[in-house]
Amino acid sequence: AQSVTQLGSHVSVSEGALVLLRCNYSSSVPPYLFWYVQYPNQGLQLLLKYTSAATLVKGINGFEAEFKKSETSFHLTKPSAHMSDAAEYFCAVNMNTGFQKLVFGTGTRLLVSP
Amino acid sequence: EAGVAQSPRYKIIEKRQSVAFWCNPISGHATLYWYQQILGQGPKLLIQFQNNGVVDDSQLPKDRFSAERLKGVDSTLKIQPAKLEDSAVYLCASSPTGGPRGYTFGSGTRLTVV
Repeated sequence: AQSVTQLGSHVSVSEGALVLLRCNYSSSVPPYLFWYVQYPNQGLQLLLKYTSAATLVKGINGFEAEFKKSETSFHLTKPSAHMSDAAEYFCAVNMNTGFQKLVFGTGTRLLVSP
Repeated sequence: EAGVAQSPRYKIIEKRQSVAFWCNPISGHATLYWYQQILGQGPKLLIQFQNNGVVDDSQLPKDRFSAERLKGVDSTLKIQPAKLEDSAVYLCASSPTGGPRGYTFGSGTRLTVV
């Protein structure tokens, strides 16, 4: 079964510092992978997605992620954190069997300090 | 294009009462999903519709939860009777085909059962 594991329920960075949120996937077939962001009391917003094209994927708000098959990873990065990046981030894998559906990780809360 | 609409935004009920949530997906989106997000966890798929047919309800507690999608457009999720552990945010999402394009999520309904 396909799944994702997010390492670290909380990540704290200073404004201007590098953001690195980790996601490892488990899949027997090439997966589709997604990162979503959730701000307080809001729904999920798509940041970026990997669908087997370029392994380095650029998303909104300066975020990007690199698909590494050898490491079964899809880590999310941003060179310089902004206060507005504070939110919950979810990695998700598309169950590419039959009718497709997203399976989410447990989430990582990003805290940004001045 | 208009987003996924959900109502109500918040609901507080007593245990053993019933409650219903409504979702209006993006026009033309064939696939509709209901997810349950318990505080501190990632969203969990409850039910998936393709047009007006159910394609996956394996994680729906059918003794108390029910859902329908009228004419392949709007959808209603009902809980009867509610339990304390049903307190969560209920997210509705839709996608054109359920494929790797990612989903568009509504803002969710926050349910508190007391």
